[in-house]
Amino acid sequence: GQNIDQPTEMTATEGAIVQINCTYQTSGFNGLFWYQQHAGEAPTFLSYNVLDGLEEKGRFSSFLSRSKGYSYLLLKELQMKDSASYLCAVRRYNTDKLIFGTGTRLQVFP
Amino acid sequence: DSGVTQTPKHLITATGQRVTLRCSPRSGDLSVYWYQQSLDQGLQFLIQYYNGEERAKGNILERFSAQQFPDLHSELNLSSLELGDSALYFCASSVDGGTGFNGYTFGSGTRLTVV
Repeated sequence: GQNIDQPTEMTATEGAIVQINCTYQTSGFNGLFWYQQHAGEAPTFLSYNVLDGLEEKGRFSSFLSRSKGYSYLLLKELQMKDSASYLCAVRRYNTDKLIFGTGTRLQVFP
Repeated sequence: DSGVTQTPKHLITATGQRVTLRCSPRSGDLSVYWYQQSLDQGLQFLIQYYNGEERAKGNILERFSAQQFPDLHSELNLSSLELGDSALYFCASSVDGGTGFNGYTFGSGTRLTVV
């Protein structure tokens, strides 16, 4: 089976940096995805890690350690519009099915 | 516009009824996935179709069924509806698997309310 854990809620201040962690337990790991979801809207793709290390994309970066079953999403220079849920999802070998964690709801305050 | 089209956007129906949700995948995508998202719950995988064939199944209730048609659009049928079926239902599509797979593109969802 699979188990994906994320904090339920986080708060941060505009302009700050926040790190959202995700730990997972799965056999046949084949990639980890981060999605952003504003309330009532569709999830949108943020990042994809399949190898260990850091992937940087503008204000957002994602890190993966396969040996530790751990990933984080780093958001820099926070803006009010970054208030959303951030979903961690894992893919296994021989499947395109993504299993999602319950998401971390981030609130950014001025 | 993500390129994945879901209809209807909102649906209100009574318990015991049956509804059909429709999804058209992004052009070129052969896989369609259905997910259910209840209030304060994560995305729960229901079922995947690839080029008309069922490829993977999650915890989909027996009251629910789906299919993918030759034009690649998909329908999710929900019957004998219960109050607990009220949720957001998302469809997503992707390119073929293997090295070409780089995640999903989601539709805007159908919000189902069972009263």
